[in-house]
Amino acid sequence: AQKITQTQPGMFVQEKEAVTLDCTYDTSDQSYGLFWYKQPSSGEMIFLIYQGSYDEQNATEGRYSLNFQKARKSANLVISASQLGDSAMYFCAMRESNDYKLSFGAGTTVTVRA
Amino acid sequence: SAVISQKPSRDICQRGTSLTIQCQVDSQVTMMFWYRQQPGQSLTLIATANQGSEATYESGFVIDKFPISRPNLTFSTLTVSNMSPEDSSIYLCSVDQLVSGNTIYFGEGSWLTVV
Repeated sequence: AQKITQTQPGMFVQEKEAVTLDCTYDTSDQSYGLFWYKQPSSGEMIFLIYQGSYDEQNATEGRYSLNFQKARKSANLVISASQLGDSAMYFCAMRESNDYKLSFGAGTTVTVRA
Repeated sequence: SAVISQKPSRDICQRGTSLTIQCQVDSQVTMMFWYRQQPGQSLTLIATANQGSEATYESGFVIDKFPISRPNLTFSTLTVSNMSPEDSSIYLCSVDQLVSGNTIYFGEGSWLTVV
């Protein structure tokens, strides 16, 4: 079964606007971590933000925030004040407590329009 | 955050040849991983590089095709052996740096094109 689901293959957003990227996950673990990465066309994977399953507050890192809804098993990424440089592929990933590896979603391509 | 350097960043390889990718980290890390990303796809874990012992391979990946070395806590190599066009991918090294929180970093990736 798919552990991470990203249902939006691609999105367009206007510069300076906010965009929300959806991510739902499936796990029976009580302890797990959720990650978001950005992959520009250069291919590198850039770590953006982390949310632990026991974290009571939503994670934030600059213009990135994570809307964590544990009961719904969703961990949506919000990018505020989009910039042209935000155009990239974004991956949601999860690591469960009994595993060492990351399970990745299919990714969402974000294109920021001027 | 950990600084991870991968070499080569890109290469075009002839089918049937082998290529070794290097991953160097600027600090000692416990766990190092190798991922593959085929064109237009997500990332798939190839193996975990273990220091001082054989790598742990995921289902579908074998040591003869993807031999891995990890001589110390800051360095690892992945070899893609007897390459075919299906091996054209980005190969990414990843490290688990629990010291600075729950963060998993990736190298810049190595783009391999097999012709």
